[in-house]
This record gives sequence, C-alpha cells and structure tokens, in this order.
Amino acid sequence: DVKVTQSSRYLVKRTGEKVFLECVQDMDHENMFWYRQDPGLGLRLIYFSYDVKMKEKGDIPEGYSVSREKKERFSLILESASTNQTSMYLCASSLAGGGQETQYFGPGTRLLVL
Amino acid sequence: AQSVTQLDSQVPVFEEAPVELRCNYSSSVSVYLFWYVQYPNQGLQLLLKYLSGSTLVESINGFEAEFNKSQTSFHLRKPSVHISDTAEYFCAVSETSFQKLVFGTGTRLLVSP
Repeated sequence: DVKVTQSSRYLVKRTGEKVFLECVQDMDHENMFWYRQDPGLGLRLIYFSYDVKMKEKGDIPEGYSVSREKKERFSLILESASTNQTSMYLCASSLAGGGQETQYFGPGTRLLVL
Repeated sequence: AQSVTQLDSQVPVFEEAPVELRCNYSSSVSVYLFWYVQYPNQGLQLLLKYLSGSTLVESINGFEAEFNKSQTSFHLRKPSVHISDTAEYFCAVSETSFQKLVFGTGTRLLVSP
C-alpha cells in the first residue's frame, strides 16, 4: 500500500526558531512536493523536487527552503519561523511523468508558531 | 497560468439527498482535472480524475464528475450521499506536460441525518 509519512502531526515552535518538517515515501516516487493548507485558500505549493538534490520553487517559497538528499525523503525547513507560517503542511509524492500522475499525500503537520 | 474556482465553501445536505459540488477552471493549454477528498484529520486522497476519452468519470464510492470543455467546468456529483461522505473536496488542474497541481479553495460537504 502506498505510504507517505510526516514526522509530526502537531508541532509548536517559537518565533525565530529553525523548524524541520520531514516527509518520507516508500513508493520509490521521483517527485515530491510540499504544500501549505490554509482555510479559504486551499493548498498552495511551496517547493517541489523531481529528483535527488533537485528542487524547484512553487508559488510561495519565501521563508522556506528544502532538502532532498535521498530519493525517499524530502525536508521542509523554516529558517526562522514566524507567526504567519502557522499552518497545516502537507507533503505529497508522485511518479515522474506528465500532469496525469496522481499525487499521494501524507497526513499533514499542523504547525503553530507562537 | 491556470486557476480553479470552487464557488461554494460549504454545502450542507441531508443523508440520501443528491449533491453537486461545482468546479470551474481557466487555462490556455490542455489540462488534466482532478478531485481530491480530505476526510477529517487526514491528508488528501484522489477521488477521481479526467485525463482523456469519456468526459464522464466515476469513483468507486459513487461520485462522478463530467468534464465540460465549453463551460470549463468539472462538477462533482453524487445521487445519494452518506454521512461518511462528510469531508472537504478539492478540485485541481494540471497541465498535460507538467505535474504542478493548482488547487481550488475547497468545498466542505456536511452530511447530516
């Protein structure tokens, strides 16, 4: 069965802290994605990666960075957390290919920045 | 650039009633269309998708959606909903050549007895 796991379901951090969100997939997928989900805004793409050590900016990359050292793992980093980064963060993965591929999502990490 | 509009943020219905969740998109290129569902406290999962061929696509749990190119719509329907269908539904679009999904803002379906 397809599985995408995220390191934490809930996380509370203080303003200015460095935050790491980890995502692991066991499907040997080439593509991985990080989204943030906010009420009334839907899902917005932060970064994606189509191969190890490769990354592309999404629609809202400011304040975030990513790392993909291994195929199965994609990390989202908040260099200096701010209150406006309080949100639900969703990781997804998919096979390489065109736009027809299904994205498989993790359960999400709800981050609260105080 | 593509965009997706889900006009209804919330749709309350009674159990066993029919429902339609509306989705309109805009794009200057050929697209694929998706509906994803998010049950409470879970991530998103694919409900159905339109790639090509028949404009009517169905899911295994009784939902269907029809691609209407002239109206740039991909509305989701179910003839009789269950309590367990309570969830948030997201319409999404991607270009045929590139795998970046653009999501709508979501519609919360609330099914009551």
